[in-house]
Amino acid sequence: DTGVSQDPRHKITKRGQNVTFRCDPISEHNRLYWYRQTLGQGPEFLTYFQNEAQLEKSRLLSDRFSAERPKGSFSTLEIQRTEQGDSAMYLCASSLEGLEQYFGPGTRLTVT
Amino acid sequence: AQSVTQLDSQVPVFEEAPVELRCNYSSSVSVYLFWYVQYPNQGLQLLLKYLSGSTLVKGINGFEAEFNKSQTSFHLRKPSVHISDTAEYFCAVTRAAGNKLTFGGGTRVLVKP
Repeated sequence: DTGVSQDPRHKITKRGQNVTFRCDPISEHNRLYWYRQTLGQGPEFLTYFQNEAQLEKSRLLSDRFSAERPKGSFSTLEIQRTEQGDSAMYLCASSLEGLEQYFGPGTRLTVT
Repeated sequence: AQSVTQLDSQVPVFEEAPVELRCNYSSSVSVYLFWYVQYPNQGLQLLLKYLSGSTLVKGINGFEAEFNKSQTSFHLRKPSVHISDTAEYFCAVTRAAGNKLTFGGGTRVLVKP
């Protein structure tokens, strides 16, 4: 199976630490999306890339958050100086310029 | 901007009974509509999508949804549920191909034996 993969699946960190998540999209998918999902809520859009270009960022994405997709393949999402409010599931999705987004299993972040 | 409202946060239902999950959206432009399912500790899986054409859309696992433009709704139905349908269901919209999805708050379906 060559679906969207995310690493790590779980991350526990202390407040103030930096964390980085990785997403590997489906091969040849040129669009990659990041969403955040808090407990009991629907996913909220954070940012997306077409190839290596970051085309849109949500206002939810504070300056502590940065995302990259350096070679148009995998992407990383970094959170600096984590806060307890950053605790959530971070979901990655990819698509081939189409309407259907394929989601990964997510990375669950717990900030203590 | 668009928004999605899922009117029921939880829906308990007995096995083999029908279920309907309600979704209403708001948008100033035409949208494409989706239903996703999320099983515990997993990502989202696409159940079905409405792009254009017939307003009745059939998806995987026996689910179907009907697009109603005048009521700005996209309700999801299944005539007979199984225990394995216990999950959270999300309605989502986008206004253009490749753009971000806007999700509703989700409906948790609990199928009882």
